[in-house]
Parts: sequence; C-alpha cells; structure tokens
Amino acid sequence: TQLLEQSPQFLSIQEGENLTVYCNSSSVFSSLQWYRQEPGEGPVLLVTVVTGGEVKKLKRLTFQFGDARKDSSLHITAAQPGDTGLYLCAGGGTSYGKLTFGQGTILTVHP
Amino acid sequence: SAVISQKPSRDICQRGTSLTIQCQVDSQVTMMFWYRQQPGQSLTLIATANQGSEATYESGFVIDKFPISRPNLTFSTLTVSNLSPEDSSIYLCSVSPTFYNEQFFGPGTRLTVL
Repeated sequence: TQLLEQSPQFLSIQEGENLTVYCNSSSVFSSLQWYRQEPGEGPVLLVTVVTGGEVKKLKRLTFQFGDARKDSSLHITAAQPGDTGLYLCAGGGTSYGKLTFGQGTILTVHP
Repeated sequence: SAVISQKPSRDICQRGTSLTIQCQVDSQVTMMFWYRQQPGQSLTLIATANQGSEATYESGFVIDKFPISRPNLTFSTLTVSNLSPEDSSIYLCSVSPTFYNEQFFGPGTRLTVL
C-alpha cells in the first residue's frame, strides 16, 4: 500500500509570509499532483509533476518533485488571504487512474 | 480537463433511508471515482466506476451499502443505503481523462443524516 505523509497538517500565517508544505513517501510515484480545495467546492488541480527533480512555478507557488519521485513540496511566496484553503498532494502509482492522497494541509492566511 | 456537476449539492436525510447522488461529466471518460470526505480532511476512495463493468470497491466499502451505476461514459450514480448518522459526510465524484492520473472533481454533495 502506497502512503503519502503530508505535513504540516495546519498552517496559520500572516499575509506576506512564505510557507512550504511537504509530501513524503517510501514509494515511487509515476506522477504527483497538488490540489487546492475551498469550503463547499471540490478539489481543484493546481499542478502535475512527472519527472524526478522537476520544478514548476505557478505565479507565487513553486512545486518540486523529488529526484527519486518519492516526495514533493509546495512553496508559497508572500502568501495572501486568497491562498487560504485545504491543500492536498496526491500520487499516481501502479493502479491506473487511482491516486494516493496525503492527509491534507489546512492553510489560513490572515490579513 | 473536464467539467463535472453533482446533484444534489446537499441533503438532509432520515436514518434508514437512502440517498442517490448523480454525477454528470461534460465529456466521455472511462474512469470515474467516488470519494468520501469529512470537512477539512483528506479524501477516502469509495470505489472506481468504469463503464461496462462492475464497480471496484475499496476496503471497508461494500456494494450493498454503496451501490454504483455507470450506464454510459458521461454519467454515474452513487447510492448511500440504510443511512446512519455516521454516513454524514461530503461525497465527491471525479474523473481521470488524462494519462497522468490527474483527476477532476465535482463540487461535492454534503449529506447530513439525522
């Protein structure tokens, strides 16, 4: 069974601060996705990384896939209240289409 | 990507009754998934529903409690049967139309069982 350990579980920061969320596993994933979910909505795909060592940037968000494709990080620069939400990492493995989800990180950015 | 709608968006049901949730996709997709989620927590996969075959259930979920239909490539239903307060949760459907296991989610159905 593949597991993804996501940390921290909660983050409460002030506007303008930087933060990093981590996802770690002992398993290799063929792809790694990050999602953001707001209350009352479904998760929305932010990014997919597929190559070990890959770094992708989406405005103030930087996503990195570990060289061994076992871990990933999400870094947010100068967080804004609009970044508030539940962030989920998810790994694609050997079962076609199925994802292994991390436990989630609830981010609250205070104005 | 894909656009997914779910009905109902929320419902309050009595213990012992059933609720059927509909999931409609704007394009044909082979794989659909049904999840359960407690507010603020991660997703738990209930089952994978492929058109033309029986749904595949994850450990802890059984067909008698969560029957699924998948009559075509754009539609699926999940029924939550014999409701108890423990079934109160958010139920989400998703599809995986791309090669990289990316999933696109519906807005969810919030179920409260009294």
